[in-house]
Amino acid sequence: DAKTTQPPSMDCAEGRAANLPCNHSTISGNEYVYWYRQIHSQGPQYIIHGLKNNETNEMASLIITEDRKSSTLILPHATLRDTAVYYCIVRVRFRSNYQLIWGAGTKLIIKP
Amino acid sequence: EAQVTQNPRYLITVTGKKLTVTCSQNMNHEYMSWYRQDPGLGLRQIYYSMNVEVTDKGDVPEGYKVSRKEKRNFPLILESPSPNQTSLYFCASSLSGTSGVSSYNEQFFGPGTRLTVL
Repeated sequence: DAKTTQPPSMDCAEGRAANLPCNHSTISGNEYVYWYRQIHSQGPQYIIHGLKNNETNEMASLIITEDRKSSTLILPHATLRDTAVYYCIVRVRFRSNYQLIWGAGTKLIIKP
Repeated sequence: EAQVTQNPRYLITVTGKKLTVTCSQNMNHEYMSWYRQDPGLGLRQIYYSMNVEVTDKGDVPEGYKVSRKEKRNFPLILESPSPNQTSLYFCASSLSGTSGVSSYNEQFFGPGTRLTVL
């Protein structure tokens, strides 16, 4: 079962910051939060991940609340090419490995 | 160019006719995985492989087989396909599958194989 809850869809104006929320209230202490996106039906693309601290890379920023029950992905200057489905994912322990638990994602539409 | 390739990209077949979807990566990754994606849903893991000759079931392994004889290849085999295996399939690879408690490596995904079983 998915461990994350996201709004099914969001709009954002081109050039503005896109803030995508994610709820993961049942997350455990050592479970990471990952974000991927999928453009049309292409292979998903990794964006960013984090555990407790806020993270930033060339694509986005990840803000994780202190209680770790929710997080926000920020695309600082959204472009039309950022239109995609964004998945907030929790990495869980699975047998001798780890597994990403995918939810249904948020369809983000960037409007001109 | 570093990439994960899948073949075929599109396949229409009939119930019971064995098929193989190939997956190959050129990044010398140890970890490879197969997922299926159904409409409106996220990805569900079918099988994964930690390294050559090491494979294990994911969440939805029924009706599928895999093999990992070489590091770069991880074919998905449907011995007797059924209509409920109609789906979009993705292969993925990463440098390794485990790093202890620390970060999990970024997974690189192939372009997908859209399979229809009639």
